[in-house]
Amino acid sequence: GAVVSQHPSWVICKSGTSVKIECRSLDFQATTMFWYRQFPKQSLMLMATSNEGSKATYEQGVEKDKFLINHASLTLSTLTVTSAHPEDSSFYICSARRTSGSSRTDTQYFGPGTRLTVL
Amino acid sequence: KQEVTQIPAALSVPEGENLVLNCSFTDSAIYNLQWFRQDPGKGLTSLLLIQSSQREQTSGRLNASLDKSSGRSTLYIAASQPGDSATYLCAVDSNYQLIWGAGTKLIIKP
Repeated sequence: GAVVSQHPSWVICKSGTSVKIECRSLDFQATTMFWYRQFPKQSLMLMATSNEGSKATYEQGVEKDKFLINHASLTLSTLTVTSAHPEDSSFYICSARRTSGSSRTDTQYFGPGTRLTVL
Repeated sequence: KQEVTQIPAALSVPEGENLVLNCSFTDSAIYNLQWFRQDPGKGLTSLLLIQSSQREQTSGRLNASLDKSSGRSTLYIAASQPGDSATYLCAVDSNYQLIWGAGTKLIIKP
């Protein structure tokens, strides 16, 4: 089956620093990748949709200048949390859409997630 | 606006019991519904995907049903095992987005 990896799996950083999270589709090309965040005991919330070669589309309430997304290739998308603060501590999960001709039957494959803790 | 609700929020049952997890959604115009499993601190594992034209899907001890008209889906787990302990999430593919429920935390007691 299709595999999506994330790196790092967990990171602890000081307030004010920037953190980059990578999402890779290992055995397929993904023109679209998604970034989600999950607070404890809450639903996954879509942050942004990342399309290869174009700017990401951010959901309402998500600061695009704070959460920088780059989708430079068909197998890699990165999320950079800039000037991180304790309230940014969360579980970040990416997914990659595997196209199959009909976009309505595409399947999203999820990465293992990255746990960010900002001190 | 599509909203997804999962009830109960937590469930604890003895090993061996059959159980049902519920997922409801407010807008019946969906393309598919998925059930996922999430282990503590880890990512998601897709369990079952039901297309909008389907009524149910089965995988091993798992059976998921979909009733679009009533906005409901159930995940049936037969002969539960301690290894089934996890948080189960349902997600609705609606308007090109996945809308998530908050999950049901399942604990299977040995």
